[in-house]
Amino acid sequence: AQSVTQPDIHITVSEGASLELRCNYSYGATPYLFWYVQSPGQGLQLLLKYFSGDTLVQGIKGFEAEFKRSQSSFNLRKPSVHWSDAAEYFCAVQVGNTPLVFGKGTRLSVIA
Amino acid sequence: DADVTQTPRNRITKTGKRIMLECSQTKGHDRMYWYRQDPGLGLRLIYYSFDVKDINKGEISDGYSVSRQAQAKFSLSLESAIPNQTALYFCATSRGLGTDTQYFGPGTRLTVL
Repeated sequence: AQSVTQPDIHITVSEGASLELRCNYSYGATPYLFWYVQSPGQGLQLLLKYFSGDTLVQGIKGFEAEFKRSQSSFNLRKPSVHWSDAAEYFCAVQVGNTPLVFGKGTRLSVIA
Repeated sequence: DADVTQTPRNRITKTGKRIMLECSQTKGHDRMYWYRQDPGLGLRLIYYSFDVKDINKGEISDGYSVSRQAQAKFSLSLESAIPNQTALYFCATSRGLGTDTQYFGPGTRLTVL
């Protein structure tokens, strides 16, 4: 069955530290891949997406993600986290003309 | 003004009541979606519509119905609300061409007592 897995439910990092949020998918074909962010009390906002070409994708707010076909992964990274990055992050995939399928999310807390 | 709006933003109702959540968009997108969000479960798709004449069930459509009144409007109804429908509901839109970036409304927090 098609699935999207975010193994980490909650991550806490110190401000200024680096961040990596994991996302794995299980699909027969290479899907389109997305990362969304949900700040407290807000809707979801697209951070970045991958559909072809360069496997390292740059997004907004200093985030990047790398698609690794061999590992079926699309991990989100940021070199230096800011307190305002505290939010919930969702990985999502799309295959063909079907709607997005979301992972269960990773909540990021940032401490001083 | 927001591109995707949802009304109401918050609603408290009682078991057995009929509830309608409304979504409007000014992005000119053909595709619209309804999701519910529960803690630890992420977003789950309830219904989606690829155009005014196309309505499709999502992962968790039982207990819900939808109406696509126009390209810009997509309503979600709970015919007889029950407590386990207490959740945060999101509407989203997308253009439907190529990679399907979705644009989300601010959400409606529904509590069923």
